[in-house]
Amino acid sequence: EDQVTQSPEALRLQEGESSSLNCSYTVSGLRGLFWYRQDPGKGPEFLFTLYSAGEEKEKERLKATLTKKESFLHITAPKPEDSATYLCAVQASSNTGKLIFGQGTTLQVKP
Amino acid sequence: NAGVTQTPKFRILKIGQSMTLQCTQDMNHNYMYWYRQDPGMGLKLIYYSVGAGITDKGEVPNGYNVSRSTTEDFPLRLELAAPSQTSVYFCASSPGGAGYFGPGTRLTVT
Repeated sequence: EDQVTQSPEALRLQEGESSSLNCSYTVSGLRGLFWYRQDPGKGPEFLFTLYSAGEEKEKERLKATLTKKESFLHITAPKPEDSATYLCAVQASSNTGKLIFGQGTTLQVKP
Repeated sequence: NAGVTQTPKFRILKIGQSMTLQCTQDMNHNYMYWYRQDPGMGLKLIYYSVGAGITDKGEVPNGYNVSRSTTEDFPLRLELAAPSQTSVYFCASSPGGAGYFGPGTRLTVT
């Protein structure tokens, strides 16, 4: 069964304190791994797509990386406006219709 | 483009009532999804569709029904609402990769 596990559940950082969020996945052939940001009361907003091990994507202070079993979302020198819940999702080659999500990591960045 | 739109934004139902959550996308995406999100939790897939006329169950389909008669619309039907269906419901569409989400419908069943 396809499964996605994110850790930690919650993370508190001081402004400027870099860290990483983890997304471990079990899937029957990975077609794509996706990172989203979700602000309170809103729908998830797409950030990145990763397709193969070794791939990296960057956007401002965020960098996503992918291995064969997990993905990391690295946050460099975060600012308070980076506070949000970050969600990871996978799509299997065997069933490209499904997008399966992890439970998310809630990030709080204090000034 | 309006993207993915959902109606209503909020709704309160009594136990046993029925309702339809509407979802429309104007991006001509083949794939559409319905998720529910409970407080502090991730997104659970209810149903999805890979094209008009084709739907399939996700992780938590019990108590829900869907139909997909057009590319644009993917309504979610709740029959005999139960308190366990209190949640925020998100619709999403995709061209085949990442999904693009609507703003959500907050549903309370009392």
